Amino acid sequence: DQQVKQNSPSLSVQEGRISILNCDYTNSMFDYFLWYKKYPAEGPTFLISISSIKDKNEDGRFTVFLNKSAKHLSLHIVPSQPGDSAVYFCAAELAGRRALTFGSGTRLQVQP
Amino acid sequence: SAVISQKPSRDICQRGTSLTIQCQVDSQVTMMFWYRQQPGQSLTLIATANQGSEATYESGFVIDKFPISRPNLTFSTLTVSNMSPEDSSIYLCSARGVQGPMNTEAFFGQGTRLTVV
Repeated sequence: DQQVKQNSPSLSVQEGRISILNCDYTNSMFDYFLWYKKYPAEGPTFLISISSIKDKNEDGRFTVFLNKSAKHLSLHIVPSQPGDSAVYFCAAELAGRRALTFGSGTRLQVQP
Repeated sequence: SAVISQKPSRDICQRGTSLTIQCQVDSQVTMMFWYRQQPGQSLTLIATANQGSEATYESGFVIDKFPISRPNLTFSTLTVSNMSPEDSSIYLCSARGVQGPMNTEAFFGQGTRLTVV
């Protein structure tokens, strides 16, 4: 039973346009959500996070939106750059547990 | 932030043998975890490494197969025992603090790519 789902295995966008990566979850006890970027042969790198008490968090080109009623979050990257090409993982945390449950990842390709 | 050094970065092992992966964090952290990423799949939590006591394993993972040590706050090892080709995966060490604001991210090592032949 996959509690965190990323239904799009891949996404391709043009440089300068917006990239939108989506994530759905099933466990209503998750109270903290994170996005990670992963390049080949490297460990995941933290991008941005959001608490369940918020619906939006912004950091530079990256914005995460959380819709609790729909159990859905999304990561917006504006403008997209070729260096953003990587696999993006959505992760969720149960209150106080600190370990993370990951989605299956979305491979983003930003075309120059 | 924290820097996590993991070694080896990759290895090719014969079935039936064991491999120990080391993880060193450059600062004292409260929690350390081990994850596995099988080919084309997501990261799956193997266990939480507890300092000075037995690790806490997730469903589907057992101590006999994946013994874990954590002798101090900054170091942990994961052993993959009696390996089979199904153990071929990337194994990742992660560290996280509990101090500070709630929005504290987890840091990851670069991973150990294990191939069992």
